[in-house]
Amino acid sequence: GAGVSQSPSNKVTEKGKDVELRCDPISGHTALYWYRQSLGQGLEFLIYFQGNSAPDKSGLPSDRFSAERTGGSVSTLTIQRTQQEDSAVYLCASSTGTVYEQYFGPGTRLTVT
Amino acid sequence: KQEVTQIPAALSVPEGENLVLNCSFTDSAIYNLQWFRQDPGKGLTSLLLIQSSQREQTSGRLNASLDKSSGRSTLYIAASQPGDSATYLCAVGEYGNKLVFGAGTILRVKS
Repeated sequence: GAGVSQSPSNKVTEKGKDVELRCDPISGHTALYWYRQSLGQGLEFLIYFQGNSAPDKSGLPSDRFSAERTGGSVSTLTIQRTQQEDSAVYLCASSTGTVYEQYFGPGTRLTVT
Repeated sequence: KQEVTQIPAALSVPEGENLVLNCSFTDSAIYNLQWFRQDPGKGLTSLLLIQSSQREQTSGRLNASLDKSSGRSTLYIAASQPGDSATYLCAVGEYGNKLVFGAGTILRVKS
């Protein structure tokens, strides 16, 4: 079946602009996670959604970052007023629940110039 | 704060060798531990998931063990092949299954 998909695959933006990154999880997966991978910080957790519960935003690095999940499926990660340190690969993962295997998408490479 | 360490950082072996990748973590209160591989420019591929109550999992030539009390996991790869060349990442699942990742081991299998 279809895996986790993310769009766009690459995004180049100017410093100060807002960007939106999209994640389509595997159908039926109730849990959805966002991570980012950067050279200096490795892979780090950003936010997760589980069903209709309030999201766990404990990993978001600043209030410029936000995410939503509509209809328990598609999720959008928004970064406002982008900074150069936001340049990274943003990865989305989904799972059937919060104790199960996570399946990752191919990521969105964000470059802030 | 949970910290995950992977040793070695890089490994180069001839084809056919058996090898062991090591992962250690500082807080034993984990839900599970997952091993991934990442090919250059790609996302993560899940290899094995070990729940906190389990001791090991096997899939083909891969075997992963978990010793929660000592904060250690190993990934054993039997009869390595050039196609196994990739970065291997260990991640521990905390509350909500938020994953905390190690920095990875870069594996190169020479033909």
